[in-house]
Formats: sequence, structure tokens, C-alpha cells
Amino acid sequence: AQSVAQPEDQVNVAEGNPLTVKCTYSVSGNPYLFWYVQYPNRGLQFLLKYITGDNLVKGSYGFEAEFNKSQTSFHLKKPSALVSDSALYFCAVRYFNTDKLIFGTGTRLQVFP
Amino acid sequence: GAGVSQSPSNKVTEKGKDVELRCDPISGHTALYWYRQSLGQGLEFLIYFQGNSAPDKSGLPSDRFSAERTGGSVSTLTIQRTQQEDSAVYLCASSSGTHRTDTQYFGPGTRLTVL
Repeated sequence: AQSVAQPEDQVNVAEGNPLTVKCTYSVSGNPYLFWYVQYPNRGLQFLLKYITGDNLVKGSYGFEAEFNKSQTSFHLKKPSALVSDSALYFCAVRYFNTDKLIFGTGTRLQVFP
Repeated sequence: GAGVSQSPSNKVTEKGKDVELRCDPISGHTALYWYRQSLGQGLEFLIYFQGNSAPDKSGLPSDRFSAERTGGSVSTLTIQRTQQEDSAVYLCASSSGTHRTDTQYFGPGTRLTVL
């Protein structure tokens, strides 16, 4: 089955520390992978995507993600967290034979001052 | 430029009533999507439009749900005889073309509450 998993409901990190939000996907062809962020009472904002090529993808607001095919993962990272990064983060996958995005359950990131 | 817009931002209705939710995609975007975000089900796909056609309606949960798109632009999602389980945030997204690598850009959503 085509799916994506975010194993952590919440990630807590101190401001200035590096952060990682985890995402893994089911193996089914070559997926296209996306990260979105959602602030309270707002829609989803696009952060970055992996299509092909370099496994390290850089996106908005200093975020980056590393595609690892052997581990079927696409973890979101940032070298130095900001309090303003606190939000709900969604990983999504789109497979070659479908038009829809399949979303993970979301991870709430809390950055403490 | 302007992003995806949705109206109304909030809708409260009584069980059994019909509701219409509207989405204005980014100008020039040919692909349009509806998703639903609820506490129990997370983010789930409802329907996909390419132009005015809907090649994928697989996510519509029942025949009470329908959607249309006119002029390759505005889309309306209609829920007939609303039920309490329809309460959710309905999100619309658009993308520029037909490639599956295209980024979907989301609107702010319509929060539907069925009493």
C-alpha cells in the first residue's frame, strides 16, 4: 500500500539547536516527496520537495531534507531552530501512477526559548 | 501574486442542510484538488480536477459529496444533507500543470461545523 509515516507526534527542541522531523514512505516505485508546514488556523505552506537528483534538498526558511532510498526516508532538518518554527509539519508522497498527495499524520514541532 | 483563496473561511450548519464551499485557484493553474483535514482521519484526498474534468474522484466519501469546476478556474464542493462526521477543515490546492512533480499550493481552508 502507498503510505507515508511520521513516527513522532511531537518533537521538542531548544532554540538554536538542530532539529529533525522524521518521515518514511512505503516502497512502491520512485516517489515524489514533499514537506509542508501548517501554522494555527492556516492552510499548508510548501517547504520543499524531492523529485530526483541530489539527495539533499534545500527549501524555504532554512529547512532542508535528505532523501535516503535505502532507508525509504525523507527527514526534515534545520541546523538552528527558531521559536517561530513551532508549527505542525506534514510529510507527503506522490507516486508516479497517482495524482493525489498522501499525507503523514503530522508532527508538531515545539521550539522552546 | 495572489494565492489560492477559499470561501467562506468558517461555516456552521445544521445537520441535514446542504453546504457549498468555494475555491479560487492561483491564476493559470490547470490542476485543482480538494482535501479534507479532520482529527480522526488526518489529511485525506477528495477529488482532483484537470481543467473542468475530474479524472480522480476516488476520495469522495459518499454520494452526498460532489464537486464541479467551471471555466477551468473556480471550483465548488457541495455536501448534501450534512452529517456531524462531515465536520472538518476542507482544503483546496492548485498546481500549474499536468506533471506529478508540480507543487500543490494550498488555500487557507474552510472550517465546516455541522451541529
